[in-house]
Amino acid sequence: GAGVSQTPSNKVTEKGKYVELRCDPISGHTALYWYRQSLGQGPEFLIYFQGTGAADDSGLPNDRFFAVRPEGSVSTLKIQRTERGDSAVYLCASSLGFVGSTDTQYFGPGTRLTVL
Amino acid sequence: QKEVEQNSGPLSVPEGAIASLNCTYSDRGSQSFFWYRQYSGKSPELIMFIYSNGDKEDGRFTAQLNKASQYVSLLIRDSQPSDSATYLCAARTTTGRRALTFGSGTRLQVQP
Repeated sequence: GAGVSQTPSNKVTEKGKYVELRCDPISGHTALYWYRQSLGQGPEFLIYFQGTGAADDSGLPNDRFFAVRPEGSVSTLKIQRTERGDSAVYLCASSLGFVGSTDTQYFGPGTRLTVL
Repeated sequence: QKEVEQNSGPLSVPEGAIASLNCTYSDRGSQSFFWYRQYSGKSPELIMFIYSNGDKEDGRFTAQLNKASQYVSLLIRDSQPSDSATYLCAARTTTGRRALTFGSGTRLQVQP
């Protein structure tokens, strides 16, 4: 079956611009996560959705970052007034969303964001 | 102190050998642990998870967990050049919290 998909695969923008990154989770997965990964580092958690609601947004670095999941499937990560420090690979993951230690997250291919 | 720590490597092993990858964590409330493999330029791919003390085997891979020592490891038997990648250890660090906390990864090189 289809895995997690993300678009675009690459995004180059200029400092100060607005960007949107899209994630389409695995069908039937109710939980969706956004992470970002800088070179040489592990993924860093940003936000988690259970259904349509953001259940945990404690990883968002500041109020320039916002994410939505209006119908409980596709999610969009929005970054306003981009800064060069926002350059990273943005990874989306999804899981079945059951309560328990073994609910497993599967990652999409990522969007590489470069802010010039 | 990082919550999940890994030696960055590279760890170099000859083809056919056992590769041993280690991870320590600081939050005693951590419930479950995940090993992901990440090839250069690609996204993390799940290898296996473990949540009980002891060993868990899946094919050539064995995960080991020691909660008293706050230590997780991944053994890869009969290492192949195709196993060369970065291995990420991740912990679900707080009861009820779904986010994973990742280490920085260990780069493994399997020499043919």
